[in-house]
Amino acid sequence: GAGVSQTPSNKVTEKGKYVELRCDPISGHTALYWYRQSLGQGPEFLIYFQGTGAADDSGLPNDRFFAVRPEGSVSTLKIQRTERGDSAVYLCASSLWAGTGAGNEQFFGPGTRLTVL
Amino acid sequence: KQEVTQIPAALSVPEGENLVLNCSFTDSAIYNLQWFRQDPGKGLTSLLLIQSSQREQTSGRLNASLDKSSGRSTLYIAASQPGDSATYLCAVGRKASYDKVIFGPGTSLSVIP
Repeated sequence: GAGVSQTPSNKVTEKGKYVELRCDPISGHTALYWYRQSLGQGPEFLIYFQGTGAADDSGLPNDRFFAVRPEGSVSTLKIQRTERGDSAVYLCASSLWAGTGAGNEQFFGPGTRLTVL
Repeated sequence: KQEVTQIPAALSVPEGENLVLNCSFTDSAIYNLQWFRQDPGKGLTSLLLIQSSQREQTSGRLNASLDKSSGRSTLYIAASQPGDSATYLCAVGRKASYDKVIFGPGTSLSVIP
């Protein structure tokens, strides 16, 4: 089935390096979300796209984190100068749209496990 | 600020038992509430979605209820099976900010054969 996919599934990098994490949403879904999940905790909201624009990026922890969705489909989460504290599972989700009514159900990808050494 | 809590944090039951997982949220202005299952090392699988206008949803052995006024949702699992062992997360869609979904910390369920 054509669910949400994320690549890579695992990424190991060294402190200070740059990484990119990719999310392919379900075809036709206009809303795309990024979350970060630390061990033993629920996912934490990072950023949300409606179409090509970031409707809310208030969850990004600092300016080392940036995300794009240039054509309103695939999204890339970019992390500069990685730190050990960035180690977590990064989850992507998509929905038909956000807000009230049918179609706001979020479907999640398998996640990318990022380890910063 | 919306805060979501889940009780208990962990639960171990014998196979066949009926059980209830609890989710509480502080701001009743929500547009939906979603229950997810997460297996170790895996992503999230949506189990049930309750829109703010609904009181409950059912799927197979699962039933989720929503009481917005009291800020509570429960997930009822009937006749539990070892395959139900996983972490169960609830997530609340905040009406004031349609884009932001707040997750609870999860309940880790273990069903013993």
